[in-house]
Amino acid sequence: DADVTQTPRNRITKTGKRIMLECSQTKGHDRMYWYRQDPGLGLRLIYYSFDVKDINKGEISDGYSVSRQAQAKFSLSLESAIPNQTALYFCATSDPLAGFSYNEQFFGPGTRLTVL
Amino acid sequence: DAKTTQPPSMDCAEGRAANLPCNHSTISGNEYVYWYRQIHSQGPQYIIHGLKNNETNEMASLIITEDRKSSTLILPHATLRDTAVYYCIVREGQGGKLIFGQGTELSVKP
Repeated sequence: DADVTQTPRNRITKTGKRIMLECSQTKGHDRMYWYRQDPGLGLRLIYYSFDVKDINKGEISDGYSVSRQAQAKFSLSLESAIPNQTALYFCATSDPLAGFSYNEQFFGPGTRLTVL
Repeated sequence: DAKTTQPPSMDCAEGRAANLPCNHSTISGNEYVYWYRQIHSQGPQYIIHGLKNNETNEMASLIITEDRKSSTLILPHATLRDTAVYYCIVREGQGGKLIFGQGTELSVKP
């Protein structure tokens, strides 16, 4: 079974709709991240959370919100979706106790979101 | 912004070593060099990281220049399954975020 799962895997929606993307992990990691990837580009950080009560903005947080419901769950919401939010979205986790320098991030399979 | 510069694409013959360069001329003393790769629209996968010394693991070797302004990822015997986009990332050791650039698209050819 996958350690980091994302639902849905694919979603097509219309402009103005509210969308929630969900991420769950069984790795027991405290840190979780949301990224988006546009065609031909690298990943950009949207939000990240270092524990259940911690939420931090990343590079491109405008138009998004997150909720860390539990250690294992981190949801990304688009309150009113717009076409330029069409992208591939990835969730990731990491373990801060793995060592000072060792902060490998484990990525989910991605959610492909299309906003029409 | 990404603090690294990589060539946009490279080719490598199957079975040969793939040497992927990365420039990080503004790296500071407490920043590590990380390499990830992404195979066609899958989630990125960690490969290796280092601070000053060269590093080797089961996937690759990382060579960091003495002045730390550049590094090279070496895949010793590239296979077709190594075709992917390779990202070189500079980040702080603790709590630092990963800032992905555009990476190098490596094509391994038979």
